[in-house]
Amino acid sequence: GESVGLHLPTLSVQEGDNSIINCAYSNSASDYFIWYKQESGKGPQFIIDIRSNMDKRQGQRVTVLLNKTVKHLSLQIAATQPGDSAVYFCAENNGNTGKLIFGQGTTLQVKP
Amino acid sequence: DAGVIQSPRHEVTEMGQEVTLRCKPISGHNSLFWYRQTMMRGLELLIYFNNNVPIDDSGMPEDRFSAKMPNASFSTLKIQPSEPRDSAVYFCASSSGTGGTEAFFGQGTRLTVV
Repeated sequence: GESVGLHLPTLSVQEGDNSIINCAYSNSASDYFIWYKQESGKGPQFIIDIRSNMDKRQGQRVTVLLNKTVKHLSLQIAATQPGDSAVYFCAENNGNTGKLIFGQGTTLQVKP
Repeated sequence: DAGVIQSPRHEVTEMGQEVTLRCKPISGHNSLFWYRQTMMRGLELLIYFNNNVPIDDSGMPEDRFSAKMPNASFSTLKIQPSEPRDSAVYFCASSSGTGGTEAFFGQGTRLTVV
């Protein structure tokens, strides 16, 4: 069946360090992946996406890596800041069906 | 654009009452999603529409839940009768394609059934 799962529920990092959040997916038909950030009391916000024909994509301070062989997705945040503290979700999308399925989420705590 | 607009932001109701949650997607978007978020289950996809047509409602928990999209600018999620276990934050999201495009989320409706 379809499932997207995160390896760790909580990640605590020191301000200025790099953060890596991991995600596993099981549906090999998924062809589009998104990372979202959710702050308390708000809806998820888009961070970065990647299509299945790519293995890496970079944004501002964020990089997403996709390993289709092991169905693994990661989000790297450089020089983590207190404002990065939030819950991070990976989501997978099957372009044929349009379904957007979310993982459980990882809480990122940034210590000053 | 004002983004995806949901109403109400908060709803407290008694068990057995009917609850209607509302969503206005971003203009021009043709896909709309309803999600439920709880601590135990995370973000669950309940149903999604494409061009106002329900495509997949396999996530709707039971017959007490129903969703409609009468036109491209409005959707409702109804729970009748409501139960305490329905307490959650309900999100609506919209996107501009059937797949391969990001979905934009509303602020959510926090539902408490007492």
